[in-house]
Amino acid sequence: DAGITQSPRHKVTETGTPVTLRCHQTENHRYMYWYRQDPGHGLRLIHYSYGVKDTDKGEVSDGYSVSRSKTEDFLLTLESATSSQTSVYFCAISESDVQPQHFGDGTRLSIL
Amino acid sequence: GEDVEQSLFLSVREGDSSVINCTYTDSSSTYLYWYKQEPGAGLQLLTYIFSNMDMKQDQRLTVLLNKKDKHLSLRIADTQTGDSAIYFCAESIRSNTGKLIFGQGTTLQVKP
Repeated sequence: DAGITQSPRHKVTETGTPVTLRCHQTENHRYMYWYRQDPGHGLRLIHYSYGVKDTDKGEVSDGYSVSRSKTEDFLLTLESATSSQTSVYFCAISESDVQPQHFGDGTRLSIL
Repeated sequence: GEDVEQSLFLSVREGDSSVINCTYTDSSSTYLYWYKQEPGAGLQLLTYIFSNMDMKQDQRLTVLLNKKDKHLSLRIADTQTGDSAIYFCAESIRSNTGKLIFGQGTTLQVKP
């Protein structure tokens, strides 16, 4: 794998609680992405980062925020989790906007 | 807007060829990708093709691109049981963000 670690790998939490997922890379790649995977939808982009402190929204960003204070870490936060955010979350990295993305192993998040 | 469509399921016999199809709508796509996902795992990059190419071959994998019809296919020769997985087609839209639009995924079942 491309030096990407997602943590935690599994999490169960209750509606209304804050949740933070972490993506850590050892490749020094500039671009980082957060996706969610749901049956029938493939992968949908939540947020992405094109450098330290540089982030932007994807197609399903409502209810999520991100931060990137250093190159290797990209955090995804659900400020107040809802059941509709139960999903598998994937982080991806790429060297540039024209290089392929490589994916982490995912975080399975269940919100009860 | 951008959209990527795939058939949901394909079943083949071991040793046969598999052909997984994908259609996309954005004529300005720069790269088109094929990813493989095994159960409980992240997405593994299989191959990709630049939009000005018609074909790319990599060992058992052949990618064909018909830009006029916006149709992409992945052919797997001599399909093995280890090829059973979900296959995702993705297009990169012309921008400086590296954003990918994914299809819903095609589940390939290989019968012995």
